[in-house]
Amino acid sequence: EAGVAQSPRYKIIEKRQSVAFWCNPISGHATLYWYQQILGQGPKLLIQFQNNGVVDDSQLPKDRFSAERLKGVDSTLKIQPAKLEDSAVYLCASSPIRGSYNEQFFGPGTRLTVL
Amino acid sequence: GIQVEQSPPDLILQEGANSTLRCNFSDSVNNLQWFHQNPWGQLINLFYIPSGTKQNGRLSATTVATERYSLLYISSSQTTDSGVYFCAVIHSGYALNFGKGTSLLVTP
Repeated sequence: EAGVAQSPRYKIIEKRQSVAFWCNPISGHATLYWYQQILGQGPKLLIQFQNNGVVDDSQLPKDRFSAERLKGVDSTLKIQPAKLEDSAVYLCASSPIRGSYNEQFFGPGTRLTVL
Repeated sequence: GIQVEQSPPDLILQEGANSTLRCNFSDSVNNLQWFHQNPWGQLINLFYIPSGTKQNGRLSATTVATERYSLLYISSSQTTDSGVYFCAVIHSGYALNFGKGTSLLVTP
């Protein structure tokens, strides 16, 4: 079974530029999450999707971050414009069953550096 | 929100040694997972263990939900065990709340 896929793996941009990350969850997984991991800390939730609907985006800085999940499968996370403090690893995770507390599986992450 | 505290924050072991990592949480949980983050940043699932005991090779974990803690045991450590070990819980909603991790270095 293929794991969670993410691209790109690394991205370096200047502040005020825009950037987009892509995630493909494990096949059949209904729930998709985006987490942000700042160096030296544990990951923190940005947004959670159930199929193609948003369940929780309370921690998403909506003035600059946006996310969508097309047809309940792939997802993209966008930052526009980027700030220096957005430098972090962006992790996508998925879990199999809607509305459950099932195990979450993580992708390899995208390491973003904002200069 | 729920507090997740991991100890020790850092650990250095010689190859072959055993260790115990601890995770304390401040409220009841619906999910608890242990992860190993390797030097390339990949979070690898070790255990899904909201309660009880599980074993997988040299690793085992125990969660005592009523006393709000979980333990991860690593036996006969190897250099490939190096990295950061995270405990993460779900208290409300469905998002994992992570501790700050235990950074483990296993030396030859």
